[in-house]
Amino acid sequence: SQQGEEDPQALSIQEGENATMNCSYKTSINNLQWYRQNSGRGLVHLILIRSNEREKHSGRLRVTLDTSKKSSSLLITASRAADTASYFCATDGKQTSYGKLTFGQGTILTVHP
Amino acid sequence: DTAVSQTPKYLVTQMGNDKSIKCEQNLGHDTMYWYKQDSKKFLKIMFSYNNKELIINETVPNRFSPKSPDKAHLNLHINSLELGDSAVYFCATKGYTGELFFGEGSRLTVL
Repeated sequence: SQQGEEDPQALSIQEGENATMNCSYKTSINNLQWYRQNSGRGLVHLILIRSNEREKHSGRLRVTLDTSKKSSSLLITASRAADTASYFCATDGKQTSYGKLTFGQGTILTVHP
Repeated sequence: DTAVSQTPKYLVTQMGNDKSIKCEQNLGHDTMYWYKQDSKKFLKIMFSYNNKELIINETVPNRFSPKSPDKAHLNLHINSLELGDSAVYFCATKGYTGELFFGEGSRLTVL
C-alpha cells in the first residue's frame, strides 16, 4: 500500500502567497524527503528531514515532521511563478528494503503571476 | 555534464515488441534505481542495484529485466510490451545522505 499521501491534490495561489502541502504516512520512518517535479522533467530533491528532527529550513522552504501523527508539511513562503510544479513526499521506512523510498501521489502547485 | 542521463527520452512502439532503456550516472554513487511513473503521476519503485548487485526487486512482471554492467550503468529491458507498460520510467541514484538523484525520464508509449 502507498506510504505517503499528500494533501491537497492541487493548490492554486497567487505569487507572493505562501503554499502549504501536507503528507501523511503509515509506518515508522528513518527519514522523510520532499521532491519537486516540473512538467516533463525528473524529480529534484528539496529537503530531507530525519525522524528525530521536528523542523528544517532551506531558503524559502520549511519542513515540519510530527512522528506521533505520522505527518509532515512543506511550506513554501513568498511563492513565485517558477515554483509551479508537482511536489512529492517520500518516506524511507524502517521496515522496508534497503534504501527504498516510497512516494506519495503529489500535490500539483500552480502559482499565478 | 548531466549527472544521471537516460536514453531514449521518448519511445513509441507496438505491443509485443522488445525495448531497452539505458541509464548512466557520473556521480560515483553505489545504488541505482528504476522507478515507474504512471499517468496519475504515481511513482513506484521497480528495481534497485547496489554496486552491480540486485537488492530490490518489487512485484514486477518478469518481462522486465534490469542489468547493471558496471556501477555507473543500469539498463532496463522490457520484453513483449503491453499497453499497460506505457509510462514514464525514471532512473535514479542514491546520494550519500539518502537523497535520490533522478534522470529526466524516458516516456514509453505502447500502441
